[in-house]
Amino acid sequence: EAQVTQNPRYLITVTGKKLTVTCSQNMNHEYMSWYRQDPGLGLRQIYYSMNVEVTDKGDVPEGYKVSRKEKRNFPLILESPSPNQTSLYFCASSWPGQGASEAFFGQGTRLTVV
Amino acid sequence: AQSVTQLDSQVPVFEEAPVELRCNYSSSVSVYLFWYVQYPNQGLQLLLKYLSGSTLVKGINGFEAEFNKSQTSFHLRKPSVHISDTAEYFCAVSVWNTGNQFYFGTGTSLTVIP
Repeated sequence: EAQVTQNPRYLITVTGKKLTVTCSQNMNHEYMSWYRQDPGLGLRQIYYSMNVEVTDKGDVPEGYKVSRKEKRNFPLILESPSPNQTSLYFCASSWPGQGASEAFFGQGTRLTVV
Repeated sequence: AQSVTQLDSQVPVFEEAPVELRCNYSSSVSVYLFWYVQYPNQGLQLLLKYLSGSTLVKGINGFEAEFNKSQTSFHLRKPSVHISDTAEYFCAVSVWNTGNQFYFGTGTSLTVIP
């Protein structure tokens, strides 16, 4: 089954404790991205990757890091989480090119930073 | 820059009544248009998409949308809603010359009243 898998689904952590949210897709998609969803703000892109070893900032990259060492995986790293990073996070993947492909989303990771 | 405006943050509607969720976008270049649905505690699922061709697009679960280039709109409609349609709906655009970067609206919460 074609899917994007995120882990964990739920995470509560303390301020400053490094964490990683994993994302994996099995569709051989080249393009992957991370979004955060906050009430009243919709989805905002954090980082995206056009291919292996190619990443770039989205609209709200501050406080986040990503890496793309393999095509299927695109982890999101919070080196020193803060309470304002409490949010619902989604990973997505799609085919590259002229923007004609829909994005496939993971189930989401609800992060709480206390 | 691109932007997406969903004019209604909340839409209550009685079961079996018709519904329209409005979406307007702003872009100086050609775009592709999408509607996604998010059920509680789930990721985003594609409802329908407009890439080219007929401006009336049919999607899953009886939804349809019409692309209006002159009004830069892509409103979502359903002639008769069910309780199971209660969810958050997101309009999104993808710009052809930016790879697969998506821009999302802030969402419309549809509540179907029995």
